[in-house]
Amino acid sequence: DAKTTQPPSMDCAEGRAANLPCNHSTISGNEYVYWYRQIHSQGPQYIIHGLKNNETNEMASLIITEDRKSSTLILPHATLRDTAVYYCIVRVGSMIKAAGNKLTFGGGTRVLVKP
Amino acid sequence: SQTIHQWPATLVQPVGSPLSLECTVEGTSNPNLYWYRQAAGRGLQLLFYSVGIGQISSEVPQNLSASRPQDRQFILSSKKLLLSDSGFYLCAWDNRRGNTIYFGEGSWLTVV
Repeated sequence: DAKTTQPPSMDCAEGRAANLPCNHSTISGNEYVYWYRQIHSQGPQYIIHGLKNNETNEMASLIITEDRKSSTLILPHATLRDTAVYYCIVRVGSMIKAAGNKLTFGGGTRVLVKP
Repeated sequence: SQTIHQWPATLVQPVGSPLSLECTVEGTSNPNLYWYRQAAGRGLQLLFYSVGIGQISSEVPQNLSASRPQDRQFILSSKKLLLSDSGFYLCAWDNRRGNTIYFGEGSWLTVV
């Protein structure tokens, strides 16, 4: 799986949009971009994922550049409960049984939402 | 809907004692199963994954082992714990019909 680079931390004002960048310059054509977040002492929570097109769900939006070498997770209206470590991951989406769909996490971005 | 549970949530064990963390998934069949460890202040490290009953792949050499006695049950074990085994352990699963991995609540292990 390709490696990702994220800023170690960022602050965001409550009610404002939070834009979290991620670089994945070595991503290959069959690798998806995934975002998870982890609130202290809890398991990671799935947020969103995409391959080429931008994606949106009830939690966030994912913007992937045309060359797919970077992406941005957007939390449209950050709340205090969005304070967490956010992980950007790239992985193969293959359903080949032997591949096991392994997932590798890096250091993530620690987001602090301030009132 | 699918759910994943792991237990115990918190465990304090002396050095040299055995370990057994259990994970079960409900609402799906034939999932891929994973064990991760997260040391304090660090990202997640994949320890084991399983694509089927009795099929275990180890990612890093260590003092731990894993077993999958049933389709939706994944167990993390150790015969003799080391201080360095302390950490936050996470079980996870994915359904081969989809790409997303879902995590359990986590188990805090402190070896003293």
